[in-house]
Amino acid sequence: DSGVTQTPKHLITATGQRVTLRCSPRSGDLSVYWYQQSLDQGLQFLIQYYNGEERAKGNILERFSAQQFPDLHSELNLSSLELGDSALYFCASSVEYEGSGANVLTFGAGSRLTVL
Amino acid sequence: DQQVKQNSPSLSVQEGRISILNCDYTNSMFDYFLWYKKYPAEGPTFLISISSIKDKNEDGRFTVFLNKSAKHLSLHIVPSQPGDSAVYFCAAKGSSNTGKLIFGQGTTLQVKP
Repeated sequence: DSGVTQTPKHLITATGQRVTLRCSPRSGDLSVYWYQQSLDQGLQFLIQYYNGEERAKGNILERFSAQQFPDLHSELNLSSLELGDSALYFCASSVEYEGSGANVLTFGAGSRLTVL
Repeated sequence: DQQVKQNSPSLSVQEGRISILNCDYTNSMFDYFLWYKKYPAEGPTFLISISSIKDKNEDGRFTVFLNKSAKHLSLHIVPSQPGDSAVYFCAAKGSSNTGKLIFGQGTTLQVKP
């Protein structure tokens, strides 16, 4: 158990629908990151939050949004779902986001989304 | 634009031999490089890292080498064990004020008994 909790583990839905993925970071970690892993692809960075504020944005579609709440858990909202959104969505957390150090991210087990 | 590339999708080695996984990058501003290992149905787990000011870092059976002039790093596993069979991701961190990591596509390592 990495300490990063993601729910649900699996989700099957239809095109056009909206889903919410939830992430609870490791205790003490203030930064949360979301990554997408599509079939045979690497981990694509979507978005990062630090202590409730957005810190960095990657290739996140406009149909996707995220937020980090005061208790530091984060949610990734995916709307108007398309077949191509089927993927593994990983949440990761770290203590800090500052430039110093390797900033090791601790990953959750992922949420597998299937859009039919 | 793929800033971190792992050009070998898969690698197969015999137990006890050396496994060498390679990674290339394009951005000279990266200040740290990390390797992660991923088993099926689990999230990636951190393995080893190296600062851009170093050329080698060793941790037990795992050693990472960095060649800045070639923008290339490699992970050596000696000796390889069947339990090392997993997907290995190379990742890089920039020196900006965000700690995000940029990952390569991954290399699947199979260690045969």
